[in-house]
Parts: sequence; C-alpha cells; structure tokens
Amino acid sequence: AQSVTQLGSHVSVSEGALVLLRCNYSSSVPPYLFWYVQYPNQGLQLLLKYTSAATLVKGINGFEAEFKKSETSFHLTKPSAHMSDAAEYFCAVSDRQTSYDKVIFGPGTSLSVIP
Amino acid sequence: NAGVTQTPKFRILKIGQSMTLQCTQDMNHNYMYWYRQDPGMGLKLIYYSVGAGITDKGEVPNGYNVSRSTTEDFPLRLELAAPSQTSVYFCASSYQGNPNEKLFFGSGTQLSVL
Repeated sequence: AQSVTQLGSHVSVSEGALVLLRCNYSSSVPPYLFWYVQYPNQGLQLLLKYTSAATLVKGINGFEAEFKKSETSFHLTKPSAHMSDAAEYFCAVSDRQTSYDKVIFGPGTSLSVIP
Repeated sequence: NAGVTQTPKFRILKIGQSMTLQCTQDMNHNYMYWYRQDPGMGLKLIYYSVGAGITDKGEVPNGYNVSRSTTEDFPLRLELAAPSQTSVYFCASSYQGNPNEKLFFGSGTQLSVL
C-alpha cells in the first residue's frame, strides 16, 4: 500500500534562509507526486507535481522539488524564505496504475518564517 | 471565477443534530470529492463522485451521505452528528479524475460537534 511521510510537523526558518520540507513515499512503482500549500483559512493549492518528466520540478512562488527514486523522496525547497511562505504544506502521492480517488496525503508540515 | 465554493465556513453542532455541507463548482468538472482534515493526519477521503448521479465511498464514509444531482453541486450530509466528526471538511474537484491531475479545493468548513 502507498504511504507518505513528512519529517517534521513544524519547521521554522528565518526570513531569507533556505526552506527544506521533507517528503518520503512508499510505492511499488514510481508514483505521481504532489506538493500542495494551504494558507490560513484557505483551501489547498497545488505548488508543483512530478509526473515522470524531469526529476527536478519547478513550481509557483519559487519552490521546487526533486524526485529521487533511490531515496524514495520528493523534498520541497526554496532558496530564500519569505514571510508570505508561512503556511501548511502537504505532500501527496498517487499510484499511476490505480484510480483517481487514491491520492494519499501526508500529515502536513507547518512552516513558520521568522522575521 | 469562483472555482469551488463551500458553505458554511464554520458551524457548531450538538450531538445528534444533522446538517448539510454545501459544495458547488463552476468549472464543469466531472469529478468531485469530500475530504476531512484532522490535525497531524493529513486529508482523508470521505466520498467522491465521477459525475451526476454517481457516487462512491472513500476511506472514511461512516456517518456521512452524499448526493450528486447536478454536475455543479455535491452536498455532504451528516445525519447524527458525533464528536468524532469534529474536523475541517474540504470539497475538491477535478476535470477528468486522472491520478496525475490537479485537485481544486474549496476553502473548507470547520465543524465542531459538542
């Protein structure tokens, strides 16, 4: 069965510092991978997704993630944190060999940005 | 462009009461979903629909019912509210329901059952 783990339920960084949010997945075949962001009092929005093209995926707001099959990871990074990046971030996985309703979401990582 | 709209945003229920969470989308998406979000648990799928008149259970359907009479609307019904249903509920939609497809989410309904 597929699963997603996100190391660290809460991460704090200083404004201008590197953001690194970790995501590891378990899947029998290379899956589709997603990062969603949830700003306070809003629904989730897609940041980026991996669908087997380039392993380095660029998303909105300067975020990017790299698919590493050997490490079963899909960590999210941003070179320089901005105050507006404070939000909840969810990694999600879906098995390309199964159906649309099987998207599995990780537990989320709350990012705080310190001025 | 409204996208996915959920009402109400907040609600407090007493144990045993019933209510309907409303969800509507204006993107002509075929697929719609209801998730619940509990702290530290990610999102769990409650029910989903692949089109008007067709619904199916997700991972955590107990205590809920849905209907899909139109493409636009996908209400979620709680018949006998229980404290375990205290959660944040999100409605989402997608066009073709492919596993690599982006989901569009509403802004959520925060429900407390006391």
